[in-house]
Amino acid sequence: TQLLEQSPQFLSIQEGENLTVYCNSSSVFSSLQWYRQEPGEGPVLLVTVVTGGEVKKLKRLTFQFGDARKDSSLHITAAQPGDTGLYLCARGNSGGSNYKLTFGKGTLLTVNP
Amino acid sequence: GAGVSQTPSNKVTEKGKYVELRCDPISGHTALYWYRQSLGQGPEFLIYFQGTGAADDSGLPNDRFFAVRPEGSVSTLKIQRTERGDSAVYLCASSQTFGDEQFFGPGTRLTVL
Repeated sequence: TQLLEQSPQFLSIQEGENLTVYCNSSSVFSSLQWYRQEPGEGPVLLVTVVTGGEVKKLKRLTFQFGDARKDSSLHITAAQPGDTGLYLCARGNSGGSNYKLTFGKGTLLTVNP
Repeated sequence: GAGVSQTPSNKVTEKGKYVELRCDPISGHTALYWYRQSLGQGPEFLIYFQGTGAADDSGLPNDRFFAVRPEGSVSTLKIQRTERGDSAVYLCASSQTFGDEQFFGPGTRLTVL
């Protein structure tokens, strides 16, 4: 099983601060997805990164895929309470098919007003 | 349009009982997935349907777990002789077709006493 390690496991910050969370693997993956999950809800896809070195921006969120495609990071600028949630990274199964997602344990982010 | 819906939202049962969890996918989505999320973990893949058939059931933990999708739409996850270790949130997702973005439902929280 190709594990995805996410860090930190928990993060509690004040509104307006910046933060970065990480997703690492010992194996190369063809693509990586980031999700946000709020309490009582299912995960919602934020972004898919495919190319090594790729950077994608979604408003205040910046996603980066490592050059070697073994790691990824999510940076949030000026965090807001609405950013609170569980941030999960996931990869598809080997062979490029993305139907069988393997998730990390997630980073539980709390943004305090 | 309506998203993925799951019923019941919460289910409490006693050890040894049988339970059924229902998933209504997004209309027109041919692919349907079940995942299980234990406390403090990311979702774990259980089974994938393409149409009426289970294309990959490699994530089902043992033969107490079974899922059906008889008409290619609604799916039911069935668990026999429930054990306390089965307690988790069971998530359903659907996608337009194989490999497309998966849209998750809110999950059913199963508690086995």
